[in-house]
Amino acid sequence: ETGVTQTPRHLVMGMTNKKSLKCEQHLGHNAMYWYKQSAKKPLELMFVYNFKEQTENNSVPSRFSPECPNSSHLFLHLHTLQPEDSALYLCASSPSTSGTYEQYFGPGTRLTVT
Amino acid sequence: QQQVKQSPQSLIVQKGGISIINCAYENTAFDYFPWYQQFPGKGPALLIAIRPDVSEKKEGRFTISFNKSAKQFSLHIMDSQPGDSATYFCAASPSGYSTLTFGKGTMLLVSP
Repeated sequence: ETGVTQTPRHLVMGMTNKKSLKCEQHLGHNAMYWYKQSAKKPLELMFVYNFKEQTENNSVPSRFSPECPNSSHLFLHLHTLQPEDSALYLCASSPSTSGTYEQYFGPGTRLTVT
Repeated sequence: QQQVKQSPQSLIVQKGGISIINCAYENTAFDYFPWYQQFPGKGPALLIAIRPDVSEKKEGRFTISFNKSAKQFSLHIMDSQPGDSATYFCAASPSGYSTLTFGKGTMLLVSP
């Protein structure tokens, strides 16, 4: 595996379910990001981790819970979601958050909340 | 408050034509301006980027023009090809920090 991988690629869940999204980067980076991509909206930054520490939480509802056990893995735990949470969830990584670096994106998880 | 405004929302260009996408920003702390390209089913990928110390950067058929006083930058795709059909996002980040603020995206279709 190379680059940034995300699983699953597609997920359908009911509003009362609990599920998790997984992201793994094989680039040796230390920063990881979660974005939400909705149609006709800018990519919305949700969470930022640098060296496993959360450095940014952009007022994301508590029904989204991130976890970063090490610099290569990032999870997004989902529970009690709303239909408006349906979107493409993108994971990205970069060498660090300190300094200007290219972000490398995974292919995303297409989430549908029914 | 949208900090990076991108236009147009969609664009249709004939093969061989020039595609132009514009972005404007408000935050004067921004000093890194990348463009990302996204194909269906894929995540965005860096296409080209510029810093405010230059007014233009060219890589192959892709050129960024930057106007610091107007707080605007644009992407020009010369000799547009059907393979360029994708969604393009402009973005900006402040000095010394890699967090990006994205525009809404432009869906480009290059007709054969």
